[in-house]
Amino acid sequence: EDQVTQSPEALRLQEGESSSLNCSYTVSGLRGLFWYRQDPGKGPEFLFTLYSAGEEKEKERLKATLTKKESFLHITAPKPEDSATYLCAVQDPGNQFYFGTGTSLTVIP
Amino acid sequence: DGGITQSPKYLFRKEGQNVTLSCEQNLNHDAMYWYRQDPGQGLRLIYYSQIVNDFQKGDIAEGYSVSREKKESFPLTVTSAQKNPTAFYLCASSIGRRNTGELFFGEGSRLTVL
Repeated sequence: EDQVTQSPEALRLQEGESSSLNCSYTVSGLRGLFWYRQDPGKGPEFLFTLYSAGEEKEKERLKATLTKKESFLHITAPKPEDSATYLCAVQDPGNQFYFGTGTSLTVIP
Repeated sequence: DGGITQSPKYLFRKEGQNVTLSCEQNLNHDAMYWYRQDPGQGLRLIYYSQIVNDFQKGDIAEGYSVSREKKESFPLTVTSAQKNPTAFYLCASSIGRRNTGELFFGEGSRLTVL
């Protein structure tokens, strides 16, 4: 069964303290891995798509990487406005999407 | 601006009532999805539609119904048969089955059963 596991469940960082969020997955025929940011009471906001192992994408303080079994979302020198829940999802060959439970990030000033 | 519009944002329902959540998209996407989000759980798929006039059950379809009469619209009805309907509901769309593409989400609808 296709699965997505995110860790840690929650992460508290001091402003400027870099860290990484992990997303491990098991899916046959990965078509894409996606990262989203979700603020409380809002819909998820798309961040990145990764298609193949070795691929990297960057946006401001965020960088996403992909291996054959997992993806990392690296946050460099985070700011309080980066506080949110970060969701990982994978797409299988049947165009189905499977989501992890997310990592709740809190950045303390 | 292109996007997905869900309404209402907040909805209260008495037990035994059916309610319908609206989802409209102007992205010209073929595929549309409904997810349910509960605290501490990942998004769970209720129904999805890859094309107009066709839809399939997801993992938790019991107590829900949908229609896809127009490409732009994918309303979800929460029926009285749904035992625990209080949740945050998210509608999403993607380009479609032949393409790899991310999901775009609406802002969500929060349903509370009184």
